[in-house]
Formats: sequence, C-alpha cells, structure tokens
Amino acid sequence: QLHLQESGPGLVKPSETLSLTCTVSGGSISSISHYWAWIRQPPGRGVEWIGSVYYNGDTYYKPSLKDKVSISVDTSRDQFYLKVISVSAPDTAVYYCARFRAFSDYSDMWGQGILVTVSS
Amino acid sequence: QSVLTQPPSVSAAPGQKVTISCSGSSSNIGSKYVSWYQQLPGTAPKLLIYEDSKRPSGIPDRLSGSKSGTSASLGITGLQTGDEADYFCGTWDTSLRAFVFGTGTKVTVL
Repeated sequence: QLHLQESGPGLVKPSETLSLTCTVSGGSISSISHYWAWIRQPPGRGVEWIGSVYYNGDTYYKPSLKDKVSISVDTSRDQFYLKVISVSAPDTAVYYCARFRAFSDYSDMWGQGILVTVSS
Repeated sequence: QSVLTQPPSVSAAPGQKVTISCSGSSSNIGSKYVSWYQQLPGTAPKLLIYEDSKRPSGIPDRLSGSKSGTSASLGITGLQTGDEADYFCGTWDTSLRAFVFGTGTKVTVL
C-alpha cells in the first residue's frame, strides 16, 4: 500500500526559506504513470495546487508562485521536495504532498499534511 | 481567485439529494478530465470521482459525476450525516499549464 509522508519544520520565520520533504513508501517514485505534487491549504480556506514534478525532474508550477517555489525529486531516496523562499504570513498553511495519475490528471493518494506556520 | 467556481454551500435533509456544480472554461473543464474530492474536517482530501464520472474502488454508487461543456457536477443521493464535508473539483488547465482546484463547497445535512 502506497504511503506518502510530509516532513519538515512546523515553524518558519518571515523572510526565510520553507523546506519540506515528501517520502514515498510502499511503491516507487519512478513511475511513468504518475507525477508528484505539493498542495497547500491556508487555515479555513480551500486547497491550492503549488506545483508538480515527474520522476525525470520535469516540473510545473502554479504561475503566480513560480518565482517563489521550487520542487525537485530524488529517485534514489523515493523522495521529492518543496522549497518556498521569502515566506510571509500568507504562506502559513497545511502542506500536502500527493500522487497524481498522469494524462488523466487526478490525485489518488495524499499525505496526511503538515502545518507550517510563518511567524517570528 | 480560482478558475473553477463552486457554490460556497449546499444543504439538504437526510436521504435527499444534493448537486454541486463546478464551472470552468474551454481551457480546463471543456478539454480535460474532472476529478472530485471530499475533505472531512482535519483530514486530507480523498478522491471520489475521476475522469469525469468514474468511481474508485470503495466509493458508493450514490455518488456520481457528470460533465457538459465547461461545467461539471457531483451528485450525492441518499444524503447521510457522514457526507457533511467540503468538496472540491479539480482539473488540468491547458492555458495555465497547471492543475486547478475549485473554490470548494461545504455540504450540510439538515
């Protein structure tokens, strides 16, 4: 059974960089049928797709976030990563990692989420 | 400022039916598959419908998805208290080259 687990700091200071890791277990991240994404949800609000990465490193980002975020993958570790630079209060959210089915574009597996608070 | 618009809330009595709409455009719903997700309080979203109308294993047939033009809908019949949750639609947008989620709809069982 595939499992995704987010990890990283729960508190980040304003202007610093937020770094999260998603570890994939019970399956391989090197699947040609899937891609891997980061999604966030500010408290009390809807979900926002941040971007995605394919096993070969190809990435897509939400246009309004592309200058602020980067996503990468390490197939040898079955992990993918999110970096958000120059964080501020609006970046406070639960961050989820998820698996998407390629071509059909739907997510069939999510991590439990990690709350990241931006505060001094 | 999501490109997919949903009603903020819908409600009905137990046993009744609700329909949640998701309105988009030709660059997303009009040309790509739609999926639907349920989010219970404090949990991660869960896939309910994929490829417009298909249900994953374990999702009951009282949930259904449909699409017409640039709009999609999720129907829930035989409403139960356990259906109280937030529901999101999602699809790929070919103009943005990004996945987009709907604004979300809260379902309340009266």
